[in-house]
Amino acid sequence: DADVTQTPRNRITKTGKRIMLECSQTKGHDRMYWYRQDPGLGLRLIYYSFDVKDINKGEISDGYSVSRQAQAKFSLSLESAIPNQTALYFCATSDRDRGHNQPQHFGDGTRLSIL
Amino acid sequence: ELKVEQNPLFLSMQEGKNYTIYCNYSTTSDRLYWYRQDPGKSLESLFVLLSNGAVKQEGRLMASLDTKARLSTLHITAAVHDLSATYFCAVSFLSGGGADGLTFGKGTHLIIQP
Repeated sequence: DADVTQTPRNRITKTGKRIMLECSQTKGHDRMYWYRQDPGLGLRLIYYSFDVKDINKGEISDGYSVSRQAQAKFSLSLESAIPNQTALYFCATSDRDRGHNQPQHFGDGTRLSIL
Repeated sequence: ELKVEQNPLFLSMQEGKNYTIYCNYSTTSDRLYWYRQDPGKSLESLFVLLSNGAVKQEGRLMASLDTKARLSTLHITAAVHDLSATYFCAVSFLSGGGADGLTFGKGTHLIIQP
């Protein structure tokens, strides 16, 4: 089983719809992140959370919101989807207790298409 | 604002050749990460470089970090087809400890031909 699980894996929806992408992890990590990947642009940070009471905006948070329901769950919402939010979305985790010398661990991604 | 630049962005090379991918970043950071991504797949961690002069090697890949020059390199020795992938460098934008968000380069799309 994957340590970082994203659902759904693929989603096609229409402009204006509300979308929620979910991420759950079994690694016991306290820190979780959402990134989006666009062709030729690398990954960009949307939001990150250091624990259930801590939410921080990343580079491109406009148009997105997040919820940290538990240490193991971090969801990303698009309140009113628009076509330029079509992208590949990744959830990642990291472990505070092991220090910053450990990499972030990524899920398999959610491919989101907004028509 | 932290910026991370990789070059080249696209590289086609022959098996058996050596080559280097460069990663420059704009502000002080002592934590740099290299990831590999295969088409349609997630990101796989390759190296974590934490200090000036750090060098790490795994198989045909070797990564180094020069924090004074704000430069990291990923060197490929005697390339083989299985190394074809997109390689990303990423830099942490918070200093002083603690995991945090990463700023990624745009990636180097590497194709290794027989």
